[in-house]
Amino acid sequence: DAGVIQSPRHEVTEMGQEVTLRCKPISGHDYLFWYRQTMMRGLELLIYFNNNVPIDDSGMPEDRFSAKMPNASFSTLKIQPSEPRDSAVYFCASSENPHSGGTQYFGPGTRLTVL
Amino acid sequence: QKEVEQNSGPLSVPEGAIASLNCTYSDRGSQSFFWYRQYSGKSPELIMFIYSNGDKEDGRFTAQLNKASQYVSLLIRDSQPSDSATYLCAVGFTGGGNKLTFGTGTQLKVEL
Repeated sequence: DAGVIQSPRHEVTEMGQEVTLRCKPISGHDYLFWYRQTMMRGLELLIYFNNNVPIDDSGMPEDRFSAKMPNASFSTLKIQPSEPRDSAVYFCASSENPHSGGTQYFGPGTRLTVL
Repeated sequence: QKEVEQNSGPLSVPEGAIASLNCTYSDRGSQSFFWYRQYSGKSPELIMFIYSNGDKEDGRFTAQLNKASQYVSLLIRDSQPSDSATYLCAVGFTGGGNKLTFGTGTQLKVEL
């Protein structure tokens, strides 16, 4: 399997612009997670989906952030409008059903810089 | 609030020594415990997981879980410079589905 795929790998944008990050989970995984990692705050869970349905979005910082999962093989995280404090590495991860262990497998991440 | 605590380090050990990384968690009902390794500029990768009290060994790595004391540790035997990385402890809490809470990580430096 190719693992979790994320695009783009790097994104540089200006404040106020819309940013869309993309993720393809491992085939057969029921869960998909979006994380943000910064030096100051570490790895933070933003939102996660089970069978394409958002389960917990309590980590989404504010209304500027939104996430969708239209099907089992694709998810997006959108920031509109973007701000410099959104600069971070955004990871997508996927996992199987909890009864199969619950191990999360991470994608390579998207490094976002908002100028 | 469910918390996972780690010493940020850096923890420096000489090559060939045993590195001991520790993690404590707040929820007594936690069910699953994971150790991830993250090299600078890379994504976290799973080293091992543990669900039951006691020790679990995988090659040079041993995970130790003590639910009564609410801590989990990772021992790395015969440490190598390639083990230099940040180690993240992650805990799956009761009723959280597959949701994990991560510690902030411990930076390990293995010196020649």
